[in-house]
Amino acid sequence: ELKVEQNPLFLSMQEGKNYTIYCNYSTTSDRLYWYRQDPGKSLESLFVLLSNGAVKQEGRLMASLDTKARLSTLHITAAVHDLSATYFCAVDTQFSGTYKYIFGTGTRLKVLA
Amino acid sequence: DAGVTQSPTHLIKTRGQQVTLRCSPKSGHDTVSWYQQALGQGPQFIFQYYEEEERQRGNFPDRFSGHQFPNYSSELNVNALLLGDSALYLCASSLGGWAYEQYFGPGTRLTVT
Repeated sequence: ELKVEQNPLFLSMQEGKNYTIYCNYSTTSDRLYWYRQDPGKSLESLFVLLSNGAVKQEGRLMASLDTKARLSTLHITAAVHDLSATYFCAVDTQFSGTYKYIFGTGTRLKVLA
Repeated sequence: DAGVTQSPTHLIKTRGQQVTLRCSPKSGHDTVSWYQQALGQGPQFIFQYYEEEERQRGNFPDRFSGHQFPNYSSELNVNALLLGDSALYLCASSLGGWAYEQYFGPGTRLTVT
C-alpha cells in the first residue's frame, strides 16, 4: 500500500524556536512537494524537490529530500506566529501502471507568541 | 495574471442529486487536476486532464467524471451524490501534463444532506 506519513501530526511551538517536520513515503519517487494550507483556505505550494539531495530554502523554511531513505524534512527556523498553518507533503509516482499523487496526513503547526 | 479560479464557492445538494463544479486554470497552464479534501484530511487525487483527455485517475468510482474544454478549463461532475461526498473540492493547474509546480484554486465546498 502506498503511504505518505508525516510526523508529528500536531505541533505547538514557541516563537523563536526551531523544529523539523518529517515526511516518510513508501514508494519510489524522486519528486516530493510541500504545501501550506491555512484554515478554510486552499493549498499554497512551498517547495518542489525533484532529486535526491535537493535542498530548498525560503525565509524561515528549509526543505530537503533523501530519496534513498524515502524521507523529506521541513525545517522551521526561529518560528513566528505567521507560520501557523497545516503543512502537507506529497509524492507522485507510477504504481502498477497507475499514476498516483499522494498527500501526507498533514502537520498542524501552531506557533505561540 | 489570473490564478486558478473555481465556481461555485459553496454548494449544498441532496443525496442522489448530481453536481458540476468548474475550474479555470492559471494563465498559460494546460493541465488540470482535481482533488477531494475531506475535513481534517489531506487531499485525495481524483483525476487529471490534459489535451482534453483524462490522463490519470485516482481511486474514485465512475460517479466522478470530468471534462476539459479547448480553452483548458475543466468541469468535475459527480452523480448520485452520497453523504460521504461532502468535502472541499480543489482544482490545480500545471503545465505539460505533469503535476510539477501545481497551483491550487480556492476550492468548492460541497455539502450533501
